[in-house]
Amino acid sequence: QLQLQESGPGLVKPSETLSLTCAVSGGSISSSTDYWGWIRQPPGKGLEWIGIIYHSGSTQYSPSLKSRITISVDTSKNEFSLKLISVTAADTAVYFCARYTTASGWFDPWGQGTLVTVSS
Amino acid sequence: DIQMTQSPSSVSASVGDRVTITCRASQGIRWLAWYQQKPGKVPKLLIYATSSLQSGVPSRFSGSGSGTDFTLTISSLQPEDFATYYCQQANSFPITFGQGTRLEIK
Repeated sequence: QLQLQESGPGLVKPSETLSLTCAVSGGSISSSTDYWGWIRQPPGKGLEWIGIIYHSGSTQYSPSLKSRITISVDTSKNEFSLKLISVTAADTAVYFCARYTTASGWFDPWGQGTLVTVSS
Repeated sequence: DIQMTQSPSSVSASVGDRVTITCRASQGIRWLAWYQQKPGKVPKLLIYATSSLQSGVPSRFSGSGSGTDFTLTISSLQPEDFATYYCQQANSFPITFGQGTRLEIK
């Protein structure tokens, strides 16, 4: 059964870089049919798509975050990562990673999510 | 960007009720997904490709629609269905979610 697990610091200072990794188990990140994505949810708010990546390294990013984010993949470790630079309090959120199926575009399964707080 | 607007934003209903949540896209889309999220929990995929029921999801959930108007219907509410529901389009990038519909117990 495919499982995803986020990891990374739970507290980041303003203006610094948020770095998260999503470890994929129970399946290969090099699957030809799947992309791998990041979604976030500020406390008490809705879901916001951040971006997706294919095992080849091809990416799609949210336009509102594009200037600040990098999503990368490490097929040897079966994991992918998110970097978000110049964070502010507005980037405080639960960050989820998920498999994205391109056939008609949905996210499943999801990682359990990790809360990242931006604060000094 | 394709904007997804859900209605209502919140709804109160009783166990056994039939509930319909609507998701309207700002332009025509081919496919829609629906998710259920309970407080503090991970979003759960209910419906993909507009009307396909994800494995393990009870058959009281159904999805329909085309073009710009889509619906999620719960035929007979159960206590475990009280949650927030989100629609999501992937017709074009950026992928966008609706703002959510909170389903509360009356």
